[in-house]
Amino acid sequence: AQSVTQPDIHITVSEGASLELRCNYSYGATPYLFWYVQSPGQGLQLLLKYFSGDTLVQGIKGFEAEFKRSQSSFNLRKPSVHWSDAAEYFCAVGEPTSGTYKYIFGTGTRLKVLA
Amino acid sequence: GAVVSQHPSWVICKSGTSVKIECRSLDFQATTMFWYRQFPKQSLMLMATSNEGSKATYEQGVEKDKFLINHASLTLSTLTVTSAHPEDSSFYICSASPGSSYNEQFFGPGTRLTVL
Repeated sequence: AQSVTQPDIHITVSEGASLELRCNYSYGATPYLFWYVQSPGQGLQLLLKYFSGDTLVQGIKGFEAEFKRSQSSFNLRKPSVHWSDAAEYFCAVGEPTSGTYKYIFGTGTRLKVLA
Repeated sequence: GAVVSQHPSWVICKSGTSVKIECRSLDFQATTMFWYRQFPKQSLMLMATSNEGSKATYEQGVEKDKFLINHASLTLSTLTVTSAHPEDSSFYICSASPGSSYNEQFFGPGTRLTVL
């Protein structure tokens, strides 16, 4: 069965510092990978996605992620964190099912930003 | 584009009553819609996948008689929590996909259900 692991439940960084959120997946074929951000009590906002091609993906809000097949990873990075980045971050893999794709989400990483 | 709405955004009900949550795709036709449940500080768990005009496919462990899903049109899916109990209190999020070969879902803002 497919799975997504986000090893870090909580991460705290200072504003202006760099950030890397880890995501590892288990999937037999080439995965469709996503990073979403969720603010408290809100829905999910797509940060970026990887389907194929260039393994370094640029997203919104200055985020990027790199797909590394050899490591089964899709880590999210940002060079300089802003206080408004404090939120919950979810990595997901898209699994084909019945002609469409269902998502399997990781457990999430809660980011706290110190002023 | 690709906007998904949910109504209501929050609802409080008494134990034993039924609650209906609507999920609408506002600017595209959603062949497939998904319903997720999220407990506080936890991840999203897929409850069911629904295709327009077909019966929903429920994930293992999800009671289909308790969580009734209807996807009667290409822009509307509903989730009815029947005979709600306090343990059904949760954040319910829907998502929609434009086509059978489309691999991205667009998420609604969620509905907070509290059962007293």
